[in-house]
Amino acid sequence: AQSVTQPDIHITVSEGASLELRCNYSYGATPYLFWYVQSPGQGLQLLLKYFSGDTLVQGIKGFEAEFKRSQSSFNLRKPSVHWSDAAEYFCAVGPGGSARQLTFGSGTQLTVLP
Amino acid sequence: DSGVTQTPKHLITATGQRVTLRCSPRSGDLSVYWYQQSLDQGLQFLIQYYNGEERAKGNILERFSAQQFPDLHSELNLSSLELGDSALYFCASSVDGVGTDTQYFGPGTRLTVL
Repeated sequence: AQSVTQPDIHITVSEGASLELRCNYSYGATPYLFWYVQSPGQGLQLLLKYFSGDTLVQGIKGFEAEFKRSQSSFNLRKPSVHWSDAAEYFCAVGPGGSARQLTFGSGTQLTVLP
Repeated sequence: DSGVTQTPKHLITATGQRVTLRCSPRSGDLSVYWYQQSLDQGLQFLIQYYNGEERAKGNILERFSAQQFPDLHSELNLSSLELGDSALYFCASSVDGVGTDTQYFGPGTRLTVL
């Protein structure tokens, strides 16, 4: 069965600092990987996704993520965090077939200090 | 705005009652997914429909059922409600439910069972 681990429940960074959110997955085949962001009272917004090809993927809002098969990781990065990035971030893995259910990690809450 | 709409936004009811949550997918999307987000279980996949047919089933309780109608909107029915059913219920939609299409999430329905 597929699973996702986000080891950091809560991360605090200062505005302008760099950010890395960790995600490790377990999946039998080549995974389809996603990062979503959830702001308070909002639904989930897709930041970026990886299906195949270049292992460094660019997303919206200046985020990027790198797929590392050898480490079963898909960490999310941003070089300079803005106060508006404060939110909860979810990593997810999904199959590529017709059953497209996503398995989500437990989320990482990001706090941005002024 | 993802283009996925969910009604109602909030729902407060009592134990033992039955409620119906409604979801309208993005224009052109044929596949609908339901997820439950609770404090203790996190984000969990419940069920997927594609063009009116059930395609995948996750951790959905027998007291819960769903369907997708010919106009592609979907309803999630929750019956014999328990306190533990209090959660945020998300609907997502995607173009065809296969390949590399992305799931777009609605804003959610917050269910409170008293």
